[in-house]
Amino acid sequence: SQKIEQNSEALNIQEGKTATLTCNYTNYSPAYLQWYRQDPGRGPVFLLLIRENEKEKRKERLKVTFDTTLKQSLFHITASQPADSATYLCALGRDFNKFYFGSGTKLNVKP
Amino acid sequence: GAVVSQHPSWVICKSGTSVKIECRSLDFQATTMFWYRQFPKQSLMLMATSNEGSKATYEQGVEKDKFLINHASLTLSTLTVTSAHPEDSSFYICSAPGGPPFSYNEQFFGPGTRLTVL
Repeated sequence: SQKIEQNSEALNIQEGKTATLTCNYTNYSPAYLQWYRQDPGRGPVFLLLIRENEKEKRKERLKVTFDTTLKQSLFHITASQPADSATYLCALGRDFNKFYFGSGTKLNVKP
Repeated sequence: GAVVSQHPSWVICKSGTSVKIECRSLDFQATTMFWYRQFPKQSLMLMATSNEGSKATYEQGVEKDKFLINHASLTLSTLTVTSAHPEDSSFYICSAPGGPPFSYNEQFFGPGTRLTVL
């Protein structure tokens, strides 16, 4: 079965720096990869989607890369702010009928 | 973006009772909805796919007789946890792919329901 790995340790960075989160996967060939933000006790909120034929996607301060050879996606937040502190989840799927989630990485941005 | 609501937001019940959780798409129609379960500090685990007008599709290892799903309309799916036990205590979240006028590329999640079984 598919395995999706995100760094379980929290990522602590200083405000203004770039945060980089990693999502690695095995035993799967996704056509789509999504990144979500989840705050404690809340449902995830969609951030970005990238397709298998896309190398990079940007949205404001966010950037996602997708390397199907390495089976890895990187999620970057530039000029990070304390309000960016949350857990970030990656999700993989072959179509929009079903996505599988990683366990998430908690990001702490310190002022 | 589109809004998905869940009710109740939290529920406490006694062991052996059944609990129903509602998931509604407020400003779009959803022929498909998904139900997830999330334990503390763990990932969302897909439990089942709810299909309007047909039977739900359950993921491997999820008991369909314990977790009853009914997709009653294009805006409502319900999850009933039957004969709940303490190990069913979890955070249950539903989601729906965006329907018109929203992008189908995006999944919209409800705020979740915290279930505690005593």
